[in-house]
Amino acid sequence: KQEVTQIPAALSVPEGENLVLNCSFTDSAIYNLQWFRQDPGKGLTSLLLIQSSQREQTSGRLNASLDKSSGRSTLYIAASQPGDSATYLCAPWGYSGAGSYQLTFGKGTKLSVIP
Amino acid sequence: GAVVSQHPSWVICKSGTSVKIECRSLDFQATTMFWYRQFPKQSLMLMATSNEGSKATYEQGVEKDKFLINHASLTLSTLTVTSAHPEDSSFYICSASISGRALPGDTQYFGPGTRLTVL
Repeated sequence: KQEVTQIPAALSVPEGENLVLNCSFTDSAIYNLQWFRQDPGKGLTSLLLIQSSQREQTSGRLNASLDKSSGRSTLYIAASQPGDSATYLCAPWGYSGAGSYQLTFGKGTKLSVIP
Repeated sequence: GAVVSQHPSWVICKSGTSVKIECRSLDFQATTMFWYRQFPKQSLMLMATSNEGSKATYEQGVEKDKFLINHASLTLSTLTVTSAHPEDSSFYICSASISGRALPGDTQYFGPGTRLTVL
């Protein structure tokens, strides 16, 4: 059974800082991995999707890396802004049996960017 | 972009009553919808996968007779928590696959969630 751990659980940084969020997963047999942002009352927003064959994926100030063999992914946020404050979730896609696939979520890292 | 709504946003009910939560895809047809549950400070856990016109597929440990899922149309799936108890209090989130599939990487659009509090 896939288990996903995200460190740290919470992070508070001043505006403008670069930061790294860590994610580890126990089953390296994944198809790809997604990073989501969760805002209260607004559901989840997909930020980046990294295919299992990729090592990095970039979107604006966000850069996600994937080391499938070691079961790790990191999300790098450059020049953080107060609007980045949210909970960030890591979720690998895995095979759950009987022709089904599913996302397994970590508990998330709650980020607060202080103006 | 694709929008998924949920209703209600928050529901408080007495123990023993049943609660229905609606999940709607507003501007696209969703052949496949997913229901997740998130307890405080815990991760989202997939409860079931719902396909329009067929029975939902439940994850291990989820009681299908307690959590009734109906996906009667391409834009609406409902989750009914029957005989709710305080331990069912949680945040329920649905998502919809715009591709109609449940394959890795297929974009899922998530609803804002419904907070259920059972007294």
